[in-house]
Amino acid sequence: DAGVIQSPRHEVTEMGQEVTLRCKPISGHNSLFWYRQTMMRGLELLIYFNNNVPIDDSGMPEDRFSAKMPNASFSTLKIQPSEPRDSAVYFCASRNSRANTEAFFGQGTRLTVV
Amino acid sequence: GIQVEQSPPDLILQEGANSTLRCNFSDSVNNLQWFHQNPWGQLINLFYIPSGTKQNGRLSATTVATERYSLLYISSSQTTDSGVYFCAVDLDHGQNFVFGPGTRLSVLP
Repeated sequence: DAGVIQSPRHEVTEMGQEVTLRCKPISGHNSLFWYRQTMMRGLELLIYFNNNVPIDDSGMPEDRFSAKMPNASFSTLKIQPSEPRDSAVYFCASRNSRANTEAFFGQGTRLTVV
Repeated sequence: GIQVEQSPPDLILQEGANSTLRCNFSDSVNNLQWFHQNPWGQLINLFYIPSGTKQNGRLSATTVATERYSLLYISSSQTTDSGVYFCAVDLDHGQNFVFGPGTRLSVLP
């Protein structure tokens, strides 16, 4: 398996623009997590899905952030409109919660909003 | 929610030295993992260890679930061990995987 795949790896955008981050989980994994990493706040859980259903989005910072999982092999995290304080590395992770196995992370998307 | 603490926050070692990193958590957990974030930002799985002891080369880990802590041992450290070490826990199967603040390790040649 290729592991968790995130795209793009780097994104630079202007304030006010819409940004969409993408994630393909490991095949067979039924739980998917989105995290944000900053120097100030460390690794924060934004939202997680179980069987394509959002379970807890209490970590999503505000209404500008939204996440979807239309099927078991794809998820998106959208920021609209983006702001400079959204600059961070965004990670996606997946695991097989039915078998209670470990989580694996993608390589992350480094977002810079100027 | 569950609280996860790690100590020490920073650690500087000479190459060849041994170290112990600690992770404390505030509630019973179903799962615990240790990760290494390398200088390029990649999160690398080290151990999946909700309880007991595991070893992988120079690294080993022990989790005492009843006392709510886990330890990561690094022996004969190498410069490539530098980076940030995180523990992460969750309460329910596949739910809400929470990270500690990490221990930043620097191994000097």
